[in-house]
Amino acid sequence: GNSVTQMEGPVTLSEEAFLTINCTYTATGYPSLFWYVQYPGEGLQLLLKATKADDKGSNKGFEATYRKETTSFHLEKGSVQVSDSAVYFCALKGNNRLAFGKGNQVVVIP
Amino acid sequence: DTEVTQTPKHLVMGMTNKKSLKCEQHMGHRAMYWYKQKAKKPPELMFVYSYEKLSINESVPSRFSPECPNSSLLNLHLHALQPEDSALYLCASSQIGLADISGANVLTFGAGSRLTVL
Repeated sequence: GNSVTQMEGPVTLSEEAFLTINCTYTATGYPSLFWYVQYPGEGLQLLLKATKADDKGSNKGFEATYRKETTSFHLEKGSVQVSDSAVYFCALKGNNRLAFGKGNQVVVIP
Repeated sequence: DTEVTQTPKHLVMGMTNKKSLKCEQHMGHRAMYWYKQKAKKPPELMFVYSYEKLSINESVPSRFSPECPNSSLLNLHLHALQPEDSALYLCASSQIGLADISGANVLTFGAGSRLTVL
């Protein structure tokens, strides 16, 4: 079945540091891939998406590239801000559902 | 209007109470979803309505009863809940159901209703 794996554990980093959150997936066919962000006390917001291999999604300085050969969709940002502190979920669309990864809490320290 | 609005934001209820969560969208979306999210976990799909008909029920206990009165509204009726049902309940909508492969059909989530069952 479809599944998404995110790296374990929270991510703590200093302001202006480089952020990477790993996401790999298992799926049949060519699913659409997403990153959602959840700020404290809020629902999920779509951050970016990619619908086919080699597509790059980008938004608010975040980027992720759909890599079919490595079945990955890693999220990156070159210089994080305190306001980027949130939980980030990788997700895959397939079988009429979204399959979410476990999420990574990102804490950015001033 | 690009929002999904959920009410109430917070709800505290006893195990014998009957209450309802409400969700509304005016984006013309024809698919609506209920998710349950426990702390520090990803959302778990509960129900999907497509064109106002229930299309997916993820084996949710009958103490949760969804209703879609029209294409803009989605309710979740709660009765005889257990303390372990305490969670954030998220509503979402999309243009059509997720069987569409256009890639443009994404989920828009509401802010959630935080439910506490005493």
